[in-house]
Amino acid sequence: AQSVAQPEDQVNVAEGNPLTVKCTYSVSGNPYLFWYVQYPNRGLQFLLKYITGDNLVKGSYGFEAEFNKSQTSFHLKKPSALVSDSALYFCAALILTGGGNKLTFGTGTQLKVEL
Amino acid sequence: GAVVSQHPSRVICKSGTSVKIECRSLDFQATTMFWYRQFPKKSLMLMATSNEGSKATYEQGVEKDKFLINHASLTLSTLTVTSAHPEDSSFYICSARDLRSGGGGADTQYFGPGTRLTVL
Repeated sequence: AQSVAQPEDQVNVAEGNPLTVKCTYSVSGNPYLFWYVQYPNRGLQFLLKYITGDNLVKGSYGFEAEFNKSQTSFHLKKPSALVSDSALYFCAALILTGGGNKLTFGTGTQLKVEL
Repeated sequence: GAVVSQHPSRVICKSGTSVKIECRSLDFQATTMFWYRQFPKKSLMLMATSNEGSKATYEQGVEKDKFLINHASLTLSTLTVTSAHPEDSSFYICSARDLRSGGGGADTQYFGPGTRLTVL
């Protein structure tokens, strides 16, 4: 079955330090991968996506993600974390099915950035 | 940017009543919208795919007679929870595909802010 995994329920990091939120995928064919962020009681905000091309994708708010085909990973990174980055982060893969293209989400990782 | 709105943001209703939630794409046309349900501290569960001008496609296990979806225009999809019960209480989120945002089917879904439904 095609799926996305986020192995960490929570990641804690000090403000100013680099952060990484992990994601691995298992999809057929070429993967289309996304990162979204969700603040409390809000919908999801699009951060970035990988379709093809450069393995390092740059997105909103200083975030970037590195696509690694051999490790089937798409980790989200930021060089210097802010307290305001604290939120729930979802990795997703676009699954191409006969019934249409659908996003399948990982279970989410709660990021907590502390002073 | 692509903006999706939802209305209402929060609704409380009595058991047995019906509730309609609207999802609008504000600055783009969306032939396809999606309805998700999210439980506390959980991931999103796709309920159905809403296609403009045609019937919605429901995921396995989702009752189509209970969760009525109408996609009457290129900017509006509605989800009606019929005869709501306390177990229907949840956070409902819609998204819309922005066909301008990618090729080969890899277009981006933009999400609404969600609707918190509480059924008493």
